[in-house]
Amino acid sequence: QSVLTQPPSASGTPGQRVTISCSGSRSNIGFNTVNWYQQVPGTTPKLLIYGNNQRPSGVPDRFSGSKSGTSASLAISGLQSEDEADYYCATWDDSLNGPVFGGGTRLTV
Amino acid sequence: QITLKESGPTLVKPTQTLTLTCTCSGFSLSTSGVGVGWIRQPPGKALEWLALIYWDDYKYYSPSLKSRLTITKDTSKNQVVLTMTNMDPVDTATYYCAHSNPRAFDFWGQGTMITVSS
Repeated sequence: QSVLTQPPSASGTPGQRVTISCSGSRSNIGFNTVNWYQQVPGTTPKLLIYGNNQRPSGVPDRFSGSKSGTSASLAISGLQSEDEADYYCATWDDSLNGPVFGGGTRLTV
Repeated sequence: QITLKESGPTLVKPTQTLTLTCTCSGFSLSTSGVGVGWIRQPPGKALEWLALIYWDDYKYYSPSLKSRLTITKDTSKNQVVLTMTNMDPVDTATYYCAHSNPRAFDFWGQGTMITVSS
């Protein structure tokens, strides 16, 4: 049981916009910034969004993040087949005194 | 550029102690703000954070595994070592080390698959 709750699956067709939610609590998302990771099956996780809505160099602007209260969302616009992957939200938890990950969302395109 | 590489045994027996080494390059473990964490992923399951060490030697452990984990760093070798005691088959997973800057894991090692079996 993950501290952060994500839907296990999401889907969309090429060109569509999809969002993936991440629900937490005051001790984690409520007081800390959220990061998102993309993991294409069989590969290493990759940082996709940090600081709630910042993209590392090289990440397309089709990917965007937002946070409100104790929840966060990842939006992917102009969906492409290469976006098919597992997506994980993560943040710091002040009660657990360490990082926490969501259970992951498998995106099917 | 920043790279990390995990090394260690691929197979350990139940009750044994696992020792993993993360060899870092492209950054210094003594640079202010830098941290290195360990994260694992059982086959087909989600990522799970294990431990984190910062440049100032502050250490953080997953509460559920704290009694079994020790994380240390060797600044001269630019390596971070994780030990996990009393290994069990449920600990079978891919173990990753990752650079933390400061609370996002922005660079990851390729991961090393550890199987726990007699």
